[in-house]
Amino acid sequence: AQTVTQSQPEMSVQEAETVTLSCTYDTSESNYYLFWYKQPPSRQMILVIRQEAYKQQNATENRFSVNFQKAAKSFSLKISDSQLGDTAMYFCAFIGSGTYKYIFGTGTRLKVLA
Amino acid sequence: SQTIHQWPATLVQPVGSPLSLECTVEGTSNPNLYWYRQAAGRGLQLLFYSIGIDQISSEVPQNLSASRPQDRQFILSSKKLLLSDSGFYLCAWSVGIVTEAFFGQGTRLTVV
Repeated sequence: AQTVTQSQPEMSVQEAETVTLSCTYDTSESNYYLFWYKQPPSRQMILVIRQEAYKQQNATENRFSVNFQKAAKSFSLKISDSQLGDTAMYFCAFIGSGTYKYIFGTGTRLKVLA
Repeated sequence: SQTIHQWPATLVQPVGSPLSLECTVEGTSNPNLYWYRQAAGRGLQLLFYSIGIDQISSEVPQNLSASRPQDRQFILSSKKLLLSDSGFYLCAWSVGIVTEAFFGQGTRLTVV
């Protein structure tokens, strides 16, 4: 069974600094997608970034980038130039090609400090 | 463009009462539809998913059921709520396989 693990329940970072959130996963599938979702205090789930497993190049979206290590089954999110609006819960998620089910980690609560 | 509507936003229900949460997607056909529950301080637990109008899969045997009366409508129900049913319920949709999911704004359910 696929699992997603986020080992950092809470993190904090100073405004304008860089922070990295960790995520590891376990799967036997060769084709899959990985995602980072942001859940601000409004609780709306917002897709931040996605990574296709067959792509070796790490995905980047503005200040957000990932470090995808397929062999290590690691998928970390780097937030550069952190802003107060980045304060949120961040969820790592996985979906394999053999299933329609999205598997989520338990989340990391990130607080950006002024 | 595609949108997802989920209602109500907030609900307070007594123990033993019925439940009906509704989710509707616009702007796409034959979406995959999902119900997740997020308990306080925990991740998202998949409750049900549906890849077609007559195909609903249950992930967690419990007090809840799901139905898909129309292609783009997904309903979460219960005949008798339990205190443990309290939580934040999220509906989501996707299209095809191995793509991203998009979420509704959620329903905060409190069973008293």
